[in-house]
Amino acid sequence: SQQGEEDPQALSIQEGENATMNCSYKTSINNLQWYRQNSGRGLVHLILIRSNEREKHSGRLRVTLDTSKKSSSLLITASRAADTASYFCATVSGVYGQNFVFGPGTRLSVLP
Amino acid sequence: GAGVSQSPRYKVAKRGQDVALRCDPISGHVSLFWYQQALGQGPEFLTYFQNEAQLDKSGLPSDRFFAERPEGSVSTLKIQRTQQEDSAVYLCASSLRRTAIYTDTQYFGPGTRLTVL
Repeated sequence: SQQGEEDPQALSIQEGENATMNCSYKTSINNLQWYRQNSGRGLVHLILIRSNEREKHSGRLRVTLDTSKKSSSLLITASRAADTASYFCATVSGVYGQNFVFGPGTRLSVLP
Repeated sequence: GAGVSQSPRYKVAKRGQDVALRCDPISGHVSLFWYQQALGQGPEFLTYFQNEAQLDKSGLPSDRFFAERPEGSVSTLKIQRTQQEDSAVYLCASSLRRTAIYTDTQYFGPGTRLTVL
């Protein structure tokens, strides 16, 4: 079963606009990570935010985490056509940090 | 190698056949994960290895699924008597375990697309 639920399921925007994706989860976590997957390829790690952090930046990416609401958001600023992909959040827990639970993903289309 | 590799990239099997999927993790990576990804869904955890030890196999859907990593590097996921519901992309990922293990990120291979007819 999947713990994370991304919202929206699909998002279509114009180049240069910002894209915001949300993720909700159900249980306690060690950290939360965001991944990108291009069609037919493996996942690529984007950013990690620990459970005691509230916001993190990496280039055009901004991630927030609200553990009280069990939710996270990923903001991609000044989007490009190359950002077109599926984006997944993954919650991490477990004794060995091995329990990665992915949501169903948000399919982002950036139109040129 | 530069990244995680998986073979074959595509596999078509007749229902009832056995299949073996291979994963070559990044050299030196201690942790190895297998996931199953259905079309339009996120990956679902199958099993986890730390070196050669299989520490978590709670995600394996049935006893037809078996994974091994005998020398702590290459891993094989075997599915016996394949069924149509086994059709999916099987992803392998590795990570470099550090003392602060919760900061580990995973590096994914391209996956093996299994189609069971």
